[in-house]
Amino acid sequence: EAGVTQFPSHSVIEKGQTVTLRCDPISGHDNLYWYRRVMGKEIKFLLHFVKESKQDESGMPNNRFLAERTGGTYSTLKVQPAELEDSGVYFCASSLRVTGELFFGEGSRLTVL
Amino acid sequence: QQPVQSPQAVILREGEDAVINCSSSKALYSVHWYRQKHGEAPVFLMILLKGGEQKGHEKISASFNEKKQQSSLYLTASQLSYSGTYFCGTEVNGVDMRFGAGTRLTVKP
Repeated sequence: EAGVTQFPSHSVIEKGQTVTLRCDPISGHDNLYWYRRVMGKEIKFLLHFVKESKQDESGMPNNRFLAERTGGTYSTLKVQPAELEDSGVYFCASSLRVTGELFFGEGSRLTVL
Repeated sequence: QQPVQSPQAVILREGEDAVINCSSSKALYSVHWYRQKHGEAPVFLMILLKGGEQKGHEKISASFNEKKQQSSLYLTASQLSYSGTYFCGTEVNGVDMRFGAGTRLTVKP
């Protein structure tokens, strides 16, 4: 069974540009989460989808971040326009149940210059 | 709402033991432990749901003290393969999981 896959694995962009990160969860997992880790700090919660609906988006830093989950399958996280402080590793995770084990992707490393 | 982990880093020799602590300022519904090796996805180790519960997997075990809002991860007779960053994730009722800053564990031969 395929795990959680994320694309791209690494993206380098300039301040002001746009980047879209994609996450394909494990098939059948209704719960999809986005997290971000800045070097040496906590894995910070961004938002949680249940199927195509946003269950909790309290961790989204500002309106430059837009997350979608079309048809309850894959999800995208768009950053527009990117700022220097957006750099970090963006992790996607999925789970079968809300309180169950999280299956993480390998992350998308975003570097904003 | 993020849990606090301690220590930030640990260096061990093979065969030595280590304890990683995780504490929260809020009443916890559950605690998860994950391990991430460099450049890889964090991997689930275990979940603890009840106060005072202790779970284990081989030589890695954990306890959860619901009253103290704390959990500890115990690594016994550490192996080289235990190296990585350990994260605790805490669930407060009605709030999605929050993670600590991680504890970097290095096991040397």
